[in-house]
Amino acid sequence: QQPVQSPQAVILREGEDAVINCSSSKALYSVHWYRQKHGEAPVFLMILLKGGEQKGHEKISASFNEKKQQSSLYLTASQLSYSGTYFCGTDSPQGAQKLVFGQGTRLTINP
Amino acid sequence: EAQVTQNPRYLITVTGKKLTVTCSQNMNHEYMSWYRQDPGLGLRQIYYSMNVEVTDKGDVPEGYKVSRKEKRNFPLILESPSPNQTSLYFCASSPRLAGGPHNEQFFGPGTRLTVL
Repeated sequence: QQPVQSPQAVILREGEDAVINCSSSKALYSVHWYRQKHGEAPVFLMILLKGGEQKGHEKISASFNEKKQQSSLYLTASQLSYSGTYFCGTDSPQGAQKLVFGQGTRLTINP
Repeated sequence: EAQVTQNPRYLITVTGKKLTVTCSQNMNHEYMSWYRQDPGLGLRQIYYSMNVEVTDKGDVPEGYKVSRKEKRNFPLILESPSPNQTSLYFCASSPRLAGGPHNEQFFGPGTRLTVL
């Protein structure tokens, strides 16, 4: 079962902050975040392996709340280059070793 | 250069005409996977392979076949394509070992398939 991402789309001005959420109905081993620019392949951002873990990549960070079975991706002081579609992928004990991706969140950054 | 390659990049075909999309990686990765991407549905896994001769179904395997005869190659076969298989397909690989946690996946450039 796919994790659910919210919002489905967000439009920001350069410099503003955004939060993208990823929720699963299953217990999770890990959460993975990828970014896909238009017409390109998804590119890895980060993996969160432990509950409560936070990681960062440039001005992009993420948290993983194992108890709530959810993760959030934080984009601070957004840049034009952050535009794209963000996917979370979840790996669960019941998932038979599958990494299941959410439906994506489209982020548009305007100057 | 470390990469995942797919061929062809674009393909228009007709219903029922067998086709193969090739995928090759030069990173000596154990794990390889195929995804299809459709608007509003994200990336859905078709098949994956933990190692040579070891393949398993993903979430949407119907109408597809795969094989893993060599570590570097993981072709996707559509024996009798239908219009509902029109999609953008991605191959990916990762250094993940069997039983181990998922690692970073490296995606190929994608193959846009249209079935008329």
